[in-house]
Amino acid sequence: QKEVEQNSGPLSVPEGAIASLNCTYSDRGSQSFFWYRQYSGKSPELIMFIYSNGDKEDGRFTAQLNKASQYVSLLIRDSQPSDSATYLCAVGTGNQFYFGTGTSLTVIP
Amino acid sequence: DVKVTQSSRYLVKRTGEKVFLECVQDMDHENMFWYRQDPGLGLRLIYFSYDVKMKEKGDIPEGYSVSREKKERFSLILESASTNQTSMYLCASGDRASYGYTFGSGTRLTVV
Repeated sequence: QKEVEQNSGPLSVPEGAIASLNCTYSDRGSQSFFWYRQYSGKSPELIMFIYSNGDKEDGRFTAQLNKASQYVSLLIRDSQPSDSATYLCAVGTGNQFYFGTGTSLTVIP
Repeated sequence: DVKVTQSSRYLVKRTGEKVFLECVQDMDHENMFWYRQDPGLGLRLIYFSYDVKMKEKGDIPEGYSVSREKKERFSLILESASTNQTSMYLCASGDRASYGYTFGSGTRLTVV
C-alpha cells in the first residue's frame, strides 16, 4: 500500500503570514507530485505540480520537493482569507495517484 | 479548459436501489477514475479505467461496478445501495498522472 501522509492540522495562520503544509510519501518510485486545493463542499482543484528536486514558484505558492527525504511541501506566502481550504497532497506513480487525507488551513483576517 | 461533468450534484436513494453515477469528459483523456471522499478518510479509489471497455479495481471496489463503453464516459454503478455508501463521489480524468488529473464537481449521494 503506497502511503501519503500529511500533517492533519487544522492549521491557522493570520492574514499576511506564511502557511507551510507538509507531506511525506512511502514509494521511492513516485515520479510526480501535486497539491490540490479543496474548498468546503467543492471538488479538488490542481494548484501546483513539481517533478524535480528543489523549489517551484507560482505567484504566492512555492512547492518544494526532496526525493531523498521523500518529502513535499507547499508554502503560501502573504496568506489571504480566500486561501482557507483543505489542501491535498497527491503523489503520482505510473498512471495512478495516491492522496493524503488533507490539511485544513484557516487564514484569520 | 478540461471539463469533467458529473450528472448529478445531489442524489438521495433508498437502500437496495441500483444507482448509476455518470461522468463525462470532453478532452479525449485515456484515464478516468472514480473516488469516494469521506471525512477523516480522504480520497479512496474505487475503480479506474485506462481505455474503453477496460477497468481495474482500486482500493475499495466492493459493492461497486463500472462501465466504460465510450472513451468520454465512465459510469459508476452501485449494485444495491447501502447506507455505508453515503458519501461524496468524485470522478477524475487525465492523460497521465504526471500531468495531473482534473476532477468533476462531485455527487453527494445519500442512501436512506
